[in-house]
Amino acid sequence: DQQVKQNSPSLSVQEGRISILNCDYTNSMFDYFLWYKKYPAEGPTFLISISSIKDKNEDGRFTVFLNKSAKHLSLHIVPSQPGDSAVYFCAASPYQGAQKLVFGQGTRLTINP
Amino acid sequence: DVKVTQSSRYLVKRTGEKVFLECVQDMDHENMFWYRQDPGLGLRLIYFSYDVKMKEKGDIPEGYSVSREKKERFSLILESASTNQTSMYLCASSLGGPIYEQYFGPGTRLTVT
Repeated sequence: DQQVKQNSPSLSVQEGRISILNCDYTNSMFDYFLWYKKYPAEGPTFLISISSIKDKNEDGRFTVFLNKSAKHLSLHIVPSQPGDSAVYFCAASPYQGAQKLVFGQGTRLTINP
Repeated sequence: DVKVTQSSRYLVKRTGEKVFLECVQDMDHENMFWYRQDPGLGLRLIYFSYDVKMKEKGDIPEGYSVSREKKERFSLILESASTNQTSMYLCASSLGGPIYEQYFGPGTRLTVT
């Protein structure tokens, strides 16, 4: 039972364009959402997060949007750069104060020069 | 900077062997986690610990045990390794409280033959 789903296993984007990575979740109790980036042979690194009380959070080229009614979040990267090529995981905290995270399957983003 | 280190980057073991994976964090974090990452399945939580000698099962604890004798160290034990435990193993830590971000080690690629 996959509570956090990333339905696109891969995405290819031209350098300089916008990359949009999507994530859906099933549990309306999810309280906090995070995006991680993973390069091969390295552990995931935290990228950006959003609380369920907000609908947008921005950090430089990265913006996360949350649509609670649709149980959907997305990560926008503008402009996309070759160094953004990586696997991106979305994750959710199952309830307020929960320390464990539930992860999606990941989306492999490739930025083409 | 938080540093999470794992004892081995690559490990090859035989079926039936007892396997120890070690993880150390240097930021006095309360929580520590063990995940496995498999293609198409994302990161799945095996066990986590929210304090010394305290542990809680994650989503896939079968075939694994853990030990946390000191705050900075969290060990994952495969009592009798099997080929279906061939995977990438990732350790993470987090501060706890209202802080959800987890910091990951580089991972151990375990192959069981």
